[in-house]
Amino acid sequence: KAGVTQTPRYLIKTRGQQVTLSCSPISGHRSVSWYQQTPGQGLQFLFEYFSETQRNKGNFPGRFSGRQFSNSRSEMNVSTLELGDSALYLCASSLDGRGQETQYFGPGTRLLVL
Amino acid sequence: GQQLNQSPQSMFIQEGEDVSMNCTSSSIFNTWLWYKQDPGEGPVLLIALYKAGELTSNGRLTAQFGITRKDSFLNISASIPSDVGIYFCAGHSGAGSYQLTFGKGTKLSVIP
Repeated sequence: KAGVTQTPRYLIKTRGQQVTLSCSPISGHRSVSWYQQTPGQGLQFLFEYFSETQRNKGNFPGRFSGRQFSNSRSEMNVSTLELGDSALYLCASSLDGRGQETQYFGPGTRLLVL
Repeated sequence: GQQLNQSPQSMFIQEGEDVSMNCTSSSIFNTWLWYKQDPGEGPVLLIALYKAGELTSNGRLTAQFGITRKDSFLNISASIPSDVGIYFCAGHSGAGSYQLTFGKGTKLSVIP
């Protein structure tokens, strides 16, 4: 069974631009979560999607948004990029995101904002 | 919000030595997970713990879910060079949707 895949793996953007990252969960997994990882803040929860609906959201500004498609694939979008948005963005999937489940992570997208 | 205190922040050990790291939380978790992350990669699940007091092994790795549900530890026995990486603990409250709270990580260096 294929793992979580994320595209692209690396991305360079400039301030003010916007970016879209993509995540394909493990087959059969319907819950997709996104995390931002930086050296200073560590791993922080962005949001979680289930059945095309955002079910939970972390403490990030509205410039960070996402969506989920009917096949459970998910995208996240960051508008008006700032230097501080440079980070590793990780996607994780689980069966339905409830109770005692395990989340499996993708390799991440490394975003550099210049 | 919830916070996880993970210690130590970093460790330098000789190959063959045992390693221990732990996490404590200010609130209760129903699931504790331990991940390992190599540079440039996403975290890889090592051990999942679902019950207070549970002790689970995965090869040379052993982890325990604290009885208070506010702590967990991970032991690595007879370390080898490929154990190098950053180890993260993560907790899930089990309420509502899936949101993991992570520790800051323990960076492990193994000296051959």
